[in-house]
Amino acid sequence: NAGVMQNPRHLVRRRGQEARLRCSPMKGHSHVYWYRQLPEEGLKFMVYLQKENIIDESGMPKERFSAEFPKEGPSILRIQQVVRGDSAAYFCASSPISSTGGSGNTIYFGEGSWLTVV
Amino acid sequence: GENVEQHPSTLSVQEGDSAVIKCTYSDSASNYFPWYKQELGKRPQLIIDIRSNVGEKKDQRIAVTLNKTAKHFSLHITETQPEDSAVYFCAAMGGGATNKLIFGTGTLLAVQP
Repeated sequence: NAGVMQNPRHLVRRRGQEARLRCSPMKGHSHVYWYRQLPEEGLKFMVYLQKENIIDESGMPKERFSAEFPKEGPSILRIQQVVRGDSAAYFCASSPISSTGGSGNTIYFGEGSWLTVV
Repeated sequence: GENVEQHPSTLSVQEGDSAVIKCTYSDSASNYFPWYKQELGKRPQLIIDIRSNVGEKKDQRIAVTLNKTAKHFSLHITETQPEDSAVYFCAAMGGGATNKLIFGTGTLLAVQP
């Protein structure tokens, strides 16, 4: 089992450019989460997706950020017109089919994508 | 929504001593409480978790306790070693349809040799 795969691991963008971060969940996992971690800070929830559905995007900034998890292919976090404040580590995580009290709750993280905006 | 508070923010112990990190949560419907260890520049790694139907769980030198009435849960590391030095995050997951983890602010643990 290859684990949660994220790419790119490191990305440098100039202000105003677009950043696209990709995440392939663990095999058999149908739930994907994106978290942002600013330098020396904690993990902030951004969005929770299942295939073709956004379940909870309460942590997403209202503008410039979007996420999708298509039927085929990886989940993508897209940041348009990046600004310096977007520089952070973006972690994707996945879990199996949700079930309260069962192993479905366990969430595994990818290695992260480090975005630097210059 | 759920809010998780974590204390202390930094903790320094001597090698061989015990370390305790405490968290409180706000949503009484939360039913899953994992702990993650994060080394510098690395991903958070699950080290232990506990579900709401259990009061305590132990795995070698690591144990977690849960008090649902008080909405507290704690991580206990015994016989600490220098390789335990890292940032530790607690988290809570709600019992409703939103299956997301809300994290505490982290504890930087330094184990002095």
